[in-house]
Amino acid sequence: EAQVTQNPRYLITVTGKKLTVTCSQNMNHEYMSWYRQDPGLGLRQIYYSMNVEVTDKGDVPEGYKVSRKEKRNFPLILESPSPNQTSLYFCASSFGEPRVSEQFFGPGTRLTVL
Amino acid sequence: KNEVEQSPQNLTAQEGEFITINCSYSVGISALHWLQQHPGGGIVSLFMLSSGKKKHGRLIATINIQEKHSSLHITASHPRDSAVYICAVLDYGGSQGNLIFGKGTKLSVKP
Repeated sequence: EAQVTQNPRYLITVTGKKLTVTCSQNMNHEYMSWYRQDPGLGLRQIYYSMNVEVTDKGDVPEGYKVSRKEKRNFPLILESPSPNQTSLYFCASSFGEPRVSEQFFGPGTRLTVL
Repeated sequence: KNEVEQSPQNLTAQEGEFITINCSYSVGISALHWLQQHPGGGIVSLFMLSSGKKKHGRLIATINIQEKHSSLHITASHPRDSAVYICAVLDYGGSQGNLIFGKGTKLSVKP
């Protein structure tokens, strides 16, 4: 089944404890992206990747890191999480860039930072 | 200033009604996406538009590039259409990977 998977789906952690949220797609998509969704603010893009080893900042990249060493995986790294990073996170992928391709979303990861 | 504005923010309809959700944007765009977020949180892509009109089942999406406006129409609405509908644009002058989102329209269809 074609899908985007995220792990974990739920995570409660404490301030400063490094964490990684994984994202994987099995559709051979070139474009992958991370978003966060907050009440009243909607979805906002954190980072995106046009292809392997090509990443770029979205609108809210502060406090996050990403890497794209393989086409299928695009992990989101929080080196030192803070409570303002408590949010619902979505990973998405598409065959090409958003100008020409629809986005496929993962199920979301609900992160709470205490 | 929000670059993508959706209206209305909330919409309640009776089953069978024709529904219109609007999206206005302030930047030149190269594409516009309509997304649906289910009550459980999952997000699916409904349409991707750069011009004209697209139709899928009871859903119709239109875009007017000159007026910087898009509409999503739902014909013969059904309770299962209850969801949040989100518009997202790709800024023509920005990076081709950077999507900008509206805050969504929450639709509730009553039986």
